[in-house]
Amino acid sequence: DVKVTQSSRYLVKRTGEKVFLECVQDMDHENMFWYRQDPGLGLRLIYFSYDVKMKEKGDIPEGYSVSREKKERFSLILESASTNQTSMYLCASSLSPPRGTYNEQFFGPGTRLTVL
Amino acid sequence: AQRVTQPEKLLSVFKGAPVELKCNYSYSGSPELFWYVQYSRQRLQLLLRHISRESIKGFTADLNKGETSFHLKKPFAQEEDSAMYYCALSGRGTASKLTFGTGTRLQVTL
Repeated sequence: DVKVTQSSRYLVKRTGEKVFLECVQDMDHENMFWYRQDPGLGLRLIYFSYDVKMKEKGDIPEGYSVSREKKERFSLILESASTNQTSMYLCASSLSPPRGTYNEQFFGPGTRLTVL
Repeated sequence: AQRVTQPEKLLSVFKGAPVELKCNYSYSGSPELFWYVQYSRQRLQLLLRHISRESIKGFTADLNKGETSFHLKKPFAQEEDSAMYYCALSGRGTASKLTFGTGTRLQVTL
């Protein structure tokens, strides 16, 4: 059973703080993703990674960076948190074809981040 | 650019009534279409994909390339169908990257 875990379920930070959100998957997936989920806006892709040390910008990368030093771990970094980054953050992972079912992403439980 | 549109934020139906969640897309090539579902206090998970042409939990979805639609349907709604539903698209050759719609909350009432 695929397991994607996120380091915190709830997080409260202050404006200007550096914030780290961690995601770990235990199924040897090549691809990992960070989304933010906002009411009325759906899921928006922040960054993704196809391999270790590889990253690509998604649709809304501004204000964020990522790190993938190991295959199983993908970190999202808010360099200087702002109130408009208050959101639910979802991590996901997937296998690449032909090993995996095409495009099925497995999601973590989410981290609800509040920036005061 | 690829885009997914879900025109309804909330769809409320009675138990036993038919359900149709609308999804329209724009993409210049041949897309892969998916429905993901998030039940209360659960993770987002894949419900079905068009390429499998399957029925999951009584739900079906047909890709209509002429109307660029991928509506999700179920003939008789159940209380346990209440959830948030997201339509998603991937372009062929863009392995694994998905574009999601804004989601529709389905509320099934007695």
